[in-house]
Amino acid sequence: AQSVAQPEDQVNVAEGNPLTVKCTYSVSGNPYLFWYVQYPNRGLQFLLKYITGDNLVKGSYGFEAEFNKSQTSFHLKKPSALVSDSALYFCAVRGSSSNTGKLIFGQGTTLQVKP
Amino acid sequence: DTAVSQTPKYLVTQMGNDKSIKCEQNLGHDTMYWYKQDSKKFLKIMFSYNNKELIINETVPNRFSPKSPDKAHLNLHINSLELGDSAVYFCASSQYIPGGNTEAFFGQGTRLTVV
Repeated sequence: AQSVAQPEDQVNVAEGNPLTVKCTYSVSGNPYLFWYVQYPNRGLQFLLKYITGDNLVKGSYGFEAEFNKSQTSFHLKKPSALVSDSALYFCAVRGSSSNTGKLIFGQGTTLQVKP
Repeated sequence: DTAVSQTPKYLVTQMGNDKSIKCEQNLGHDTMYWYKQDSKKFLKIMFSYNNKELIINETVPNRFSPKSPDKAHLNLHINSLELGDSAVYFCASSQYIPGGNTEAFFGQGTRLTVV
């Protein structure tokens, strides 16, 4: 069965500091991994994805994510957080054996960046 | 132009009523989805259509019935609404590729409140 875990309900960082939002996954076949951001009362916006190749993936708004196969992790990172990054972040996975396109989401992590 | 649009954005209705939520995408995608986000922000897939064919039908009460008149539209009809149906419903679309490495694009969500 496919699953995604985001072990932290909330992450607090000071503006200008680096941030990490954690994600681990379990999937059959090769994983396709995604990060989405949800601002209050808005839909989900795609940030970045890992398909294959380089383990460090760069995405929108200065975010990047590191794929680690041995640890089955795909942590979201940003070198310098902004107050405007405060939002709800979702990690999602789809196995390469999927024939439906279904994304499995983690439970979400609220990122709070304080000035 | 909005890529995935849902109407209405807010829906307040009484228990027992029947309501519909409409979704349209102008991305040319062949696969559309309905996700439900509960009060704890957890996202769970409900249905998916590929080229107007139902390919995902998760464990959802049969009071919920999706309808896809064409590839660009996926509507959700809910009969006999219950208090527990209160949630945010998201429509999404993606282009299906065998192996599934494409991201999904989400609408703004419909906040359904049953009173």
